[in-house]
Amino acid sequence: GAGVSQSPSNKVTEKGKDVELRCDPISGHTALYWYRQSLGQGLEFLIYFQGNSAPDKSGLPSDRFSAERTGGSVSTLTIQRTQQEDSAVYLCASSKDTGVYDTQYFGPGTRLTVL
Amino acid sequence: GNSVTQMEGPVTLSEEAFLTINCTYTATGYPSLFWYVQYPGEGLQLLLKATKADDKGSNKGFEATYRKETTSFHLEKGSVQVSDSAVYFCALSARGANSKLTFGKGITLSVRP
Repeated sequence: GAGVSQSPSNKVTEKGKDVELRCDPISGHTALYWYRQSLGQGLEFLIYFQGNSAPDKSGLPSDRFSAERTGGSVSTLTIQRTQQEDSAVYLCASSKDTGVYDTQYFGPGTRLTVL
Repeated sequence: GNSVTQMEGPVTLSEEAFLTINCTYTATGYPSLFWYVQYPGEGLQLLLKATKADDKGSNKGFEATYRKETTSFHLEKGSVQVSDSAVYFCALSARGANSKLTFGKGITLSVRP
């Protein structure tokens, strides 16, 4: 079946501009996660959504970062006033539930470059 | 807090060599443990997992055993292939933490023919 998809695959933007990154999770998966993969910080958690519950935003690095999930499916990660340190690969993952036994399936990522 | 420590890399091996990649963790409670792999140009894929002490996860000839007494989850393979060249990440998912994954820094494995 279809896996997690993300768009765009690559995004180049100028410092100070806003960007939106999109994630389509696997159909039927209720949990959705965003992670960031950068050279300096490795793979780090950003935000998590589960059904209609309030999202866990504990990993967002600043208030320039926000995310929403519409209709319990598609999610958008928005970065306002981008900075060069935001350059990274942004990964989305989904799972059936949020039990620690559940496998998270990752999308191919969006590579963001801030000039 | 929760953390995962992987051995420093990169690692270069000849084909058919034995592979061990060390991974230790610190976590509150009783986490689930994972190895993810990222092949060149591809996304992260689950390689194997273990959810309780003494569990052995296995896949594609790779194995890792959940050792609670040593808080370790070392990855092993008896005979590596060129196609195993990739970046390997050890990770944990802790109860009470919304199951978010905490990753190690990853290690690059290169297998030469």
